[in-house]
Amino acid sequence: QAVVTQEPSLTVSPGGTVTLTCGSSTGAVTSGHYPYWFQQRPGQAPRTLIYDTSINYSWTPARFSGSLLGGKAALTLSGAQPEDEAEYHCLLSYSGARWVFGGGTKLTVL
Amino acid sequence: DVQLVESGGGLVQPGGSLRLSCAASGFSVSNNFMSWVRQAPGKGLEWVSVIYRDGTTYYADSVRGRFTVSRDNSKNTLYLQLSSLRTEDTGVYYCTKTGGPWDWGQGTLVTVSS
Repeated sequence: QAVVTQEPSLTVSPGGTVTLTCGSSTGAVTSGHYPYWFQQRPGQAPRTLIYDTSINYSWTPARFSGSLLGGKAALTLSGAQPEDEAEYHCLLSYSGARWVFGGGTKLTVL
Repeated sequence: DVQLVESGGGLVQPGGSLRLSCAASGFSVSNNFMSWVRQAPGKGLEWVSVIYRDGTTYYADSVRGRFTVSRDNSKNTLYLQLSSLRTEDTGVYYCTKTGGPWDWGQGTLVTVSS
C-alpha cells in the first residue's frame, strides 16, 4: 500500500507564508491523485480546505491555495492568522478505489 | 445543508462487534459516494471504507474481512458493521460524503479494551 508523507510540524509567523507538502511513495503526485487538504482543529472534526489539487471549498479563506510542486501536492498559506493554527491532513486517491491519508502536519502560528 | 450524524460508538471487548450508524440529511446517500474514516487517539486520519452509488464497496487492508459498510436508502443512513475488533481499532469514526469536497460528521468514539 502506498505511503503518503507530510512534514510532521511547521511553524509560521503571523502574516508569514508557509508551504506544506504531500508526497507519495509510488512516485510523483499528479492531478490524477485528486489531492485533498483538510484542516482539523483540536477536538473538532476535519473539514475540507482544498480538493482536486487546487479548488477551494466555499468556506476556505483566499489565503490558502493548493498546487503541485516538485512532484508533490502543496498547500500554501499566505498571510498566516492565529486561527490557522491546526493540523493539516492531505489525502491522495489511488487506483482500485483506495484513498490514503498522510500523517498530518501540525502547523503552529508563532 | 448537508448534515451527517454518527452514532453507535462505545466500549467493546477485543473480539467483539459493534454497528455504527450515520444519519444523513440535505442529500441522498444513495446518490453519493460515502466513506468511513477513523482517527486513533493522538494520531492521523485513516480511510476505512467506501460505498459507491451502485453499491460497490472497498476497504482498507487493515479492516477488510472484518468491517462491512452498507446503507439503508429508505432511512438515508450509512452503516459500518465492525467485527472481530482489536485494540488498534480504537478511535473516532467519521462518516463522510465523498467526492468533490468531502463533508464530515462529528464522529463517534469506539473504544476496544478489556
